[in-house]
Amino acid sequence: AQSVTQLGSHVSVSEGALVLLRCNYSSSVPPYLFWYVQYPNQGLQLLLKYTTGATLVKGINGFEAEFKKSETSFHLTKPSAHMSDAAEYFCAVSDTGGFKTIFGAGTRLFVKA
Amino acid sequence: EAEVAQSPRYKITEKSQAVAFWCDPISGHATLYWYRQILGQGPELLVQFQDESVVDDSQLPKDRFSAERLKGVDSTLKIQPAELGDSAMYLCASSLALFETGELFFGEGSRLTVL
Repeated sequence: AQSVTQLGSHVSVSEGALVLLRCNYSSSVPPYLFWYVQYPNQGLQLLLKYTTGATLVKGINGFEAEFKKSETSFHLTKPSAHMSDAAEYFCAVSDTGGFKTIFGAGTRLFVKA
Repeated sequence: EAEVAQSPRYKITEKSQAVAFWCDPISGHATLYWYRQILGQGPELLVQFQDESVVDDSQLPKDRFSAERLKGVDSTLKIQPAELGDSAMYLCASSLALFETGELFFGEGSRLTVL
């Protein structure tokens, strides 16, 4: 069975500071990994995804994530936070083929001026 | 840009009443999902369709929830009777097909409040 653990339900950073949101996964098969962002009262939007190939994945809005198989991690980073980055972020895993996508509990990012 | 359409955006109902949500996926997307998102939690899959067939409804509370996608295009999720614990955001998502890279495209959701 697959599962996702997001460390920290809330993360607060200052504008211009590094953003680091942590995600660890469990999967019995090579996983596909995703980060989605959700703004208040809206659906989820894909930030980036890892399927195969390069383990460092770049996404929209300056975000990137690195797949580390040995650590079963897929942490999300952004070098410099912007006020518009304040939202809820979800890490997700699916088996190869995207048959079933499991989401983590989410991390709410606060950005202070 | 193609979007997943959902209605209604907001629904307030009393417990024991019936409620229905509608979803129209992106044109050409064969796979359709209904997720439930309780406030402060991640989305939980309720049911997944491939065309008009259910491929996974293991987490759907079948005593009160039903879902259909009769012509393999739009879909309806029904709750009857609604209970207080059903208050949540109901998200519809679609993807091109089951066996591809798995990106889901979400609608804006239907927020249900049960009084």
